[in-house]
Amino acid sequence: EAGVTQSPTHLIKTRGQQATLRCSPISGHTSVYWYQQALGLGLQFLLWYDEGEERNRGNFPPRFSGRQFPNYSSELNVNALELEDSALYLCASSSLGAQNTEAFFGQGTRLTVV
Amino acid sequence: AQSVTQLDSHVSVSEGTPVLLRCNYSSSYSPSLFWYVQHPNKGLQLLLKYTSAATLVKGINGFEAEFKKSETSFHLTKPSAHMSDAAEYFCVVSEGELGSARQLTFGSGTQLTVLP
Repeated sequence: EAGVTQSPTHLIKTRGQQATLRCSPISGHTSVYWYQQALGLGLQFLLWYDEGEERNRGNFPPRFSGRQFPNYSSELNVNALELEDSALYLCASSSLGAQNTEAFFGQGTRLTVV
Repeated sequence: AQSVTQLDSHVSVSEGTPVLLRCNYSSSYSPSLFWYVQHPNKGLQLLLKYTSAATLVKGINGFEAEFKKSETSFHLTKPSAHMSDAAEYFCVVSEGELGSARQLTFGSGTQLTVLP
């Protein structure tokens, strides 16, 4: 069974451009989480989608947005890129409801803004 | 609301000595608790999870964690550190009503260094 897949693995953009990151969850998982891991800042929660709806978002500006598609895959969009957006962006998926279901992580997309 | 506190940002041990990574949590519901490990330039891998069936949880690579409700703690231990254990470790809490989607909350991470 395929795990969580993220694309692209690496992305280089210039300041002011837009970046689109993609995530395919494990089959059967309805929840997708996005995290930013910038150097020295740990894992920062970005967005949580479940059943196509945004359930919660972290303390990030509105230029960070996303969506979840009917097949539960997800996109993260970052507009008006800034140098400090350079980070590893991790996606995770989990299944609905079960108390002890863990989240499974992708390998991440390394975004570099120059 | 849930929260996770990892009490040490950095822990350094010698190879062959015990490892203790500390985690305290708060939760409004009966939480699920996890430890994840992240090796350099890699994604996160699940080490172990608390299932409520047993308070002492065994994970991969010889790691264990003990759930102590009275202390709201879920510390990670290993009897003997190996060089390959050098990585960053994250304590995670997940909570929500049964049957509803669950939000994950991460601790800030503990960087484990293993000295030869």
